Amino acid sequence: KNEVEQSPQNLTAQEGEFITINCSYSVGISALHWLQQHPGGGIVSLFMLSSGKKKHGRLIATINIQEKHSSLHITASHPRDSAVYICAAAYNNNDMRFGAGTRLTVKP
Amino acid sequence: DAGVIQSPRHEVTEMGQEVTLRCKPISGHNSLFWYRQTMMRGLELLIYFNNNVPIDDSGMPEDRFSAKMPNASFSTLKIQPSEPRDSAVYFCASSLSSLNFYGYTFGSGTRLTVV
Repeated sequence: KNEVEQSPQNLTAQEGEFITINCSYSVGISALHWLQQHPGGGIVSLFMLSSGKKKHGRLIATINIQEKHSSLHITASHPRDSAVYICAAAYNNNDMRFGAGTRLTVKP
Repeated sequence: DAGVIQSPRHEVTEMGQEVTLRCKPISGHNSLFWYRQTMMRGLELLIYFNNNVPIDDSGMPEDRFSAKMPNASFSTLKIQPSEPRDSAVYFCASSLSSLNFYGYTFGSGTRLTVV
């Protein structure tokens, strides 16, 4: 299976800015996950998507199956959003491939 | 539910020693995954179990690594003998369904340092 590509690798924003993180994958998947890894190391699953769009608070995730692309948006960013965001592509055989992550820093 | 529970949180051991990492999945989850995270390689799947049966261990780096799941509420990842290059954070995750990883939840990880 091909790799999962994320961009940007690093992102610095000012508090309040709208943030977009992108993820592309090369072959068909059964679902796409967005994960958040806190500075302390813990990993939290934010979204699982197989189509369309999901929203949770200030976080929005979208996926375009035809284009094999997903985006994670953060509205009104806050310093506590600072973390590494990881895109993960899940395949029907229980395999999961991870992007390299996007390190987000939101400055006050 | 307390989530996926891993122990220990930190482990420092000398090269050549046996290391055992433990994981308790969320009750009712039938899939369990072991991952390794390093700065160089990011997150890598080592092995996963479905209904306590190992399905794919192709990610296990070498014979020094072994994993077991004797019942639905417990799994171990063992490294014997350990080497400095095994130093990493090891995560366990579980999910409710093997399809789409529904309910996918990570443990807090075990930070392993082999000196």
